[in-house]
Amino acid sequence: QKEVEQNSGPLSVPEGAIASLNCTYSDRGSQSFFWYRQYSGKSPELIMFIYSNGDKEDGRFTAQLNKASQYVSLLIRDSQPSDSATYLCAVKNYGQNFVFGPGTRLSVLP
Amino acid sequence: DTGVSQNPRHKITKRGQNVTFRCDPISEHNRLYWYRQTLGQGPEFLTYFQNEAQLEKSRLLSDRFSAERPKGSFSTLEIQRTEQGDSAMYLCASNKDSTEAFFGQGTRLTVV
Repeated sequence: QKEVEQNSGPLSVPEGAIASLNCTYSDRGSQSFFWYRQYSGKSPELIMFIYSNGDKEDGRFTAQLNKASQYVSLLIRDSQPSDSATYLCAVKNYGQNFVFGPGTRLSVLP
Repeated sequence: DTGVSQNPRHKITKRGQNVTFRCDPISEHNRLYWYRQTLGQGPEFLTYFQNEAQLEKSRLLSDRFSAERPKGSFSTLEIQRTEQGDSAMYLCASNKDSTEAFFGQGTRLTVV
């Protein structure tokens, strides 16, 4: 079992819709969770992080964490074509190393 | 520009040659990470430093790979006797203590 799993996609949503991206992780000791966006040929850029169970909102983005289910998600409201990218879920454990999932490709259709 | 800086941005080398990449982290960041990413995959952890100490190294990392951070500031990643399978984007990231990490632009290596 891979440590961090994501559906590779592509996930296609129409402009203005809500995009829902999911991530599961295997290490119950994981402490913090991150979402990065990566455009083709570019390096990952941080969108947001979450440490506690529940929801965390930042503009059009909401991260949701459920440690009991070992599940973290990212919701993007009012999706725009500029949101089309690969979204990487990363998990950090006590070892202080960031473990990344394979990423989900999101395509927002005009 | 106070972000993470990586050089060179692109490197083409012949199989069997050695290559070295440099990463300059954000100035107050004490932790520095190296990752490798191939097309369609997420970043794969290689190694990380806290100040000048190399605290963790991936078990998958061949002994052809070595990294240093001699003064706890910039870091270098060297690959000896490059192979075609080493072709990838090499990413450096840094953070302060346990906070979120920020990535540099990456070095794209092509081994021909």
